[in-house]
Amino acid sequence: DQQVKQNSPSLSVQEGRISILNCDYTNSMFDYFLWYKKYPAEGPTFLISISSIKDKNEDGRFTVFLNKSAKHLSLHIVPSQPGDSAVYFCAASDTDKLIFGTGTRLQVFP
Amino acid sequence: SAVISQKPSRDICQRGTSLTIQCQVDSQVTMMFWYRQQPGQSLTLIATANQGSEATYESGFVIDKFPISRPNLTFSTLTVSNMSPEDSSIYLCSVYTGIAAYEQYFGPGTRLTVT
Repeated sequence: DQQVKQNSPSLSVQEGRISILNCDYTNSMFDYFLWYKKYPAEGPTFLISISSIKDKNEDGRFTVFLNKSAKHLSLHIVPSQPGDSAVYFCAASDTDKLIFGTGTRLQVFP
Repeated sequence: SAVISQKPSRDICQRGTSLTIQCQVDSQVTMMFWYRQQPGQSLTLIATANQGSEATYESGFVIDKFPISRPNLTFSTLTVSNMSPEDSSIYLCSVYTGIAAYEQYFGPGTRLTVT
């Protein structure tokens, strides 16, 4: 039973436009949500997080939105840049552990 | 943040053999984690390795198959024992520095192929 789901395996966006990556979860007890970015042959790198008591967190071009009633979060990247092309994982914290989604491969084309 | 290195970066092994993966951190950390990412899958936590105590394994993972050592606060090893092709995965270690809530920092991973 997958507690964190990313239903879109891939997303293609033109440079300069907005990229929206989605994530759904099932456990209402998760207290923190995080987004990681992963390039090939590298480990995931932390991007942005949000506490369950908030509905939005912004850091430069990256904004994460949390809708607790829908058990849904999204990552907005605007404007998208070719260097953003990577696999994005959402994760939820369960006490000291992180539970990851399956990832969405974002491709930003010129 | 923390800088993490893993050895080897990749390996091709024959079934029935074992491989030990090393994880080195540039600072002392309490909590280290080992993950597996099978092809096309998410990162799955294998175990939590705390210094001075036995590793805590997640459901589906056992110590006989994935023994872990944590001799000090900057180093850990994961052994994949009696390998089969199903063990072909990327194995990653991560650390929690405790500075920011739940942020974990990952090593570059070890790509294992079992033939």
